[in-house]
Amino acid sequence: DQQVKQNSPSLSVQEGRISILNCDYTNSMFDYFLWYKKYPAEGPTFLISISSIKDKNEDGRFTVFLNKSAKHLSLHIVPSQPGDSAVYFCAASAKGGQFYFGTGTSLTVIP
Amino acid sequence: KAGVTQTPRYLIKTRGQQVTLSCSPISGHRSVSWYQQTPGQGLQFLFEYFSETQRNKGNFPGRFSGRQFSNSRSEMNVSTLELGDSALYLCASSLMDRSTDTQYFGPGTRLTVL
Repeated sequence: DQQVKQNSPSLSVQEGRISILNCDYTNSMFDYFLWYKKYPAEGPTFLISISSIKDKNEDGRFTVFLNKSAKHLSLHIVPSQPGDSAVYFCAASAKGGQFYFGTGTSLTVIP
Repeated sequence: KAGVTQTPRYLIKTRGQQVTLSCSPISGHRSVSWYQQTPGQGLQFLFEYFSETQRNKGNFPGRFSGRQFSNSRSEMNVSTLELGDSALYLCASSLMDRSTDTQYFGPGTRLTVL
């Protein structure tokens, strides 16, 4: 049972434009959410997180939005750069529990 | 500060064999989690160790086991390998609280079962 879903396996965006990656979850107990970026042959690296008490968190070009009523999470990258091309995973957890990961979205930023 | 290291990086085994994978966390990190990554399934949580004790376990059969040593290094063992065990196995370390501390991942061990 996939508790965290990323319904778009891939996304292509022109350099300089906005990339929007989406994530949906089913467990209303989740209160902490993260995004990871993964390059080939490397482990995932932490990008940005948000707790359920917030609906937005920004870090430079990366912004995560949380819509608790819709159980929806999104990552915005503005402006997109070719170095952002990677697989992006969202993850969610409830306090003290394990992390549940989505299946990933492969982002390609076209120069 | 050195990152999370995993050995070996690549492994080829045959069905029925067993395998042991190793993970050295970032110095000072006490929590080590293991994940299995397969195409289309994302990262599936295997288990988490903290201070040599298994603190949480995912939904995997008993063929998958692990342990953690006093220096926080962790090993994962898979017995009686099946073709479906072919995957990238990732370990991640964090300071204390896996559910809120940032997890740092190693590069993974690519296991192929023939």
